[in-house]
Amino acid sequence: LAKTTQPPSMEAYEGQEVNVSCSHTNIATSEYIYWYRQVPHQGPQFIIQGYKDYVVNEVASLFISADRKLSTLSLPWVSLRDAAVYYCIVTHQGGRALIFGTGTTVSVSP
Amino acid sequence: NSKVIQTPRYLVKGQGQKAKMRCIPEKGHPVVFWYQQNKNNEFKFLINFQNQEVLQQIDMTEKRFSAECPSNSPCSLEIQSSEAGDSALYLCASSLPGTGGWAPLFGEGTRLSVL
Repeated sequence: LAKTTQPPSMEAYEGQEVNVSCSHTNIATSEYIYWYRQVPHQGPQFIIQGYKDYVVNEVASLFISADRKLSTLSLPWVSLRDAAVYYCIVTHQGGRALIFGTGTTVSVSP
Repeated sequence: NSKVIQTPRYLVKGQGQKAKMRCIPEKGHPVVFWYQQNKNNEFKFLINFQNQEVLQQIDMTEKRFSAECPSNSPCSLEIQSSEAGDSALYLCASSLPGTGGWAPLFGEGTRLSVL
């Protein structure tokens, strides 16, 4: 079962790129990696997912190391609205179990 | 724009009272999860279902917590006798299991305050 750990916090200025890492050292071959963001009083919102290599969508990119033990979420050009807690989640048992990361609080200053 | 609908958004109960919350999962998602998120942003797994059947649940759930996911009705989580330590954000999520990497979707949560 994958254990997922993240840095507790990061700070950035508006316009900077922010890279948030997640270590999932025991990830199994069947497990996928997902990233979510959560702001106060709301549930986690999906950002991006991946299995290996590099994935990009309109809001973020995700790099997964070759051994799949580390993933890095990249947020280009952050704004004040990107201030949130970011979680990586690894699915297990074919999506029937979720393993949450410890969460990274990203603070954005003007 | 969450497609998992949780009601109510906020719930205030006195100690010893029942607290019930509901969840409508994303259409076509047979797996439903309930998590408790505390003020330290830690997620605690409570129970999950596939269709109407319980897959896994923790011991705490078996004692004061009950949950069900009947066919053609919302899923529900009920706390029989609320305690102050139950104050938390209760999140419902649904997913489509398999090898396709379908992202679990979360509702907005029900914020329970036990006075």
